[in-house]
Amino acid sequence: QSALTQPASVSESPGQSITVSCTGTSSDVGAFDYVSWYQQLPGKAPKLIIYDVNKRPSGLSNRFSGSKSGTTASLTISGLQAEDEADYYCTSYTTSNTWVFGGGTKLTVL
Amino acid sequence: QVQLQESGPGLVKPSQTLSLTCAVSGESINRDTYYWTWVRQPAGKGLEWIGRIYTSESTSYNPSLKSRVTISLDRSKNQFSLKMTSVTAADTAVYYCARASGLDTGGPFVYFDHWGQGTLVTVSS
Repeated sequence: QSALTQPASVSESPGQSITVSCTGTSSDVGAFDYVSWYQQLPGKAPKLIIYDVNKRPSGLSNRFSGSKSGTTASLTISGLQAEDEADYYCTSYTTSNTWVFGGGTKLTVL
Repeated sequence: QVQLQESGPGLVKPSQTLSLTCAVSGESINRDTYYWTWVRQPAGKGLEWIGRIYTSESTSYNPSLKSRVTISLDRSKNQFSLKMTSVTAADTAVYYCARASGLDTGGPFVYFDHWGQGTLVTVSS
């Protein structure tokens, strides 16, 4: 199974919005609505921020949202804040009952 | 509150077996509403899913690691374990254990909602 494709980096100014794409195949992203997104701060464990394409865990800011079209999922962060600077990973459940991660996207808040 | 804690040797020699355990508190690994999983991350690189186990002891592994990996449960200690044989320097990474949950209690359990803090394993002679 090949890793999902994410841009290596994205940057934007505070208060603006960014969208991170996550491209897979018909065997993973395109097969189910089982894409999840994780935020990883330096030296920390990943933290779930979006599951089942567009659902937010309880208590998570509504500045984070997710969507999917075909074999590409997207994470949007609106009203960027300095604390959003982190690495973001997508993952998808696959038709082989396994998981595949994206390569990760480093978000820089300018 | 669910907590997961990895433990094991931080240094393993090449060709030997890596062994890690994940102690779970605040939840029973006997519950049939979760998978228990392992994920790793080489320094400066992305996340890689290793495998998962269910309370029935059914397992699923990353095809690229399947021949070298075994995940098992220890119900008496409420923990699960990872064994990886014939390790090389390429297996040097931070290893995380995580719980996989789902929207429905009947499954599938497809997102990782709780993670351990991770443990660094270095493969070197």
